[in-house]
Amino acid sequence: EAGVAQSPRYKIIEKRQSVAFWCNPISGHATLYWYQQILGQGPKLLIQFQNNGVVDDSQLPKDRFSAERLKGVDSTLKIQPAKLEDSAVYLCASSLTGTANYGYTFGSGTRLTVV
Amino acid sequence: KNEVEQSPQNLTAQEGEFITINCSYSVGISALHWLQQHPGGGIVSLFMLSSGKKKHGRLIATINIQEKHSSLHITASHPRDSAVYICAAGASGTYKYIFGTGTRLKVLA
Repeated sequence: EAGVAQSPRYKIIEKRQSVAFWCNPISGHATLYWYQQILGQGPKLLIQFQNNGVVDDSQLPKDRFSAERLKGVDSTLKIQPAKLEDSAVYLCASSLTGTANYGYTFGSGTRLTVV
Repeated sequence: KNEVEQSPQNLTAQEGEFITINCSYSVGISALHWLQQHPGGGIVSLFMLSSGKKKHGRLIATINIQEKHSSLHITASHPRDSAVYICAAGASGTYKYIFGTGTRLKVLA
């Protein structure tokens, strides 16, 4: 079974620039998550999709972050404009159903550095 | 106080030592995950458990639902076990996982 694919692996941008991350979940997984992990902290949920609908985006800074999941499969996360404090690893994960009883699989992450 | 607490935050061990990482949580859960994160960011799911004990190779995970506590044990530790180990609690009745801040393990040869 192929894993969760993310790209790019690394990105360095200047503050106020925009950036986009891409995630391709495991085939058939209905639930997709984007997490932000700042160095030394645990992952923080930014947004959760169930198919192509948003289940939870309460911690997504909507003034600068946006995400979409086209046709309930691939997803993109965008930051515009980026701030220094957005430097983090952005992790995508997917799960079959999204209920806490089921496991989920993480991608390798995108390490973003804002300078 | 965080809803999921891990201890210790940092751990250095000599190769071959038996290692224990602890996770305490204050929410009702339906499942608890142990995750491994290597430098570079990628996360691997090690265990998902809701009761008892699971074993995979040199790794053992236990959970005590009454005490709201889980432990991850590594027997005969090896330098390749060096990573951050994260405990994530799946809150009952929700879709949400609550993550601990991780335990940074370094195993010296």
